[in-house]
Amino acid sequence: AQKVTQAQTEISVVEKEDVTLDCVYETRDTTYYLFWYKQPPSGELVFLIRRNSFDEQNEISGRYSWNFQKSTSSFNFTITASQVVDSAVYFCALSEAQDSGYALNFGKGTSLLVTP
Amino acid sequence: SAVISQKPSRDICQRGTSLTIQCQVDSQVTMMFWYRQQPGQSLTLIATANQGSEATYESGFVIDKFPISRPNLTFSTLTVSNMSPEDSSIYLCSVLPGQGLNNEQFFGPGTRLTVL
Repeated sequence: AQKVTQAQTEISVVEKEDVTLDCVYETRDTTYYLFWYKQPPSGELVFLIRRNSFDEQNEISGRYSWNFQKSTSSFNFTITASQVVDSAVYFCALSEAQDSGYALNFGKGTSLLVTP
Repeated sequence: SAVISQKPSRDICQRGTSLTIQCQVDSQVTMMFWYRQQPGQSLTLIATANQGSEATYESGFVIDKFPISRPNLTFSTLTVSNMSPEDSSIYLCSVLPGQGLNNEQFFGPGTRLTVL
């Protein structure tokens, strides 16, 4: 069963628009971590954020912000004032101690295209 | 942090042959993982490479097809055996430097494999 769902397959926005990437996860563990990674066209995986299950504080880093809500099992990612360089595939991932031995369960990814 | 290198970075192989991918880390790490990313798809965990014992494979992956070695805490290999075009993917090594979930998982640059 898919543990991480990224319902948006592709999103296209115009530069300077705000965009939110959705991530819904499923776990029975009480201790887990959630991640976002960026994969630009070059292919490497770029770590963006890690959030543990006990810390529901939202986080902002520059134009990026994350909204973690355990009540809805969601960990959404917002890019404010998007730029062309934000074009990439974004992956949400879940790490659980019990089921996966700390390996990452990835969602299918959301491909973001930012046009000038 | 951890710096990870993979060899080769890319290769084109004929069906029926085998390719061994190397993953080298610049420091000793607790856990190492191998992932596969098929074209246009998400990352899927192949196995956890265990130091000094047999790798732990995920459902759908078997040792005969993807033998893994991990002779020490800084090095692992993944072999893709008896290749077919369906094995064309990016293969990524990742590491978890510390104990538990409270660590960032680092990814190597990947090995881009094309099977003709």
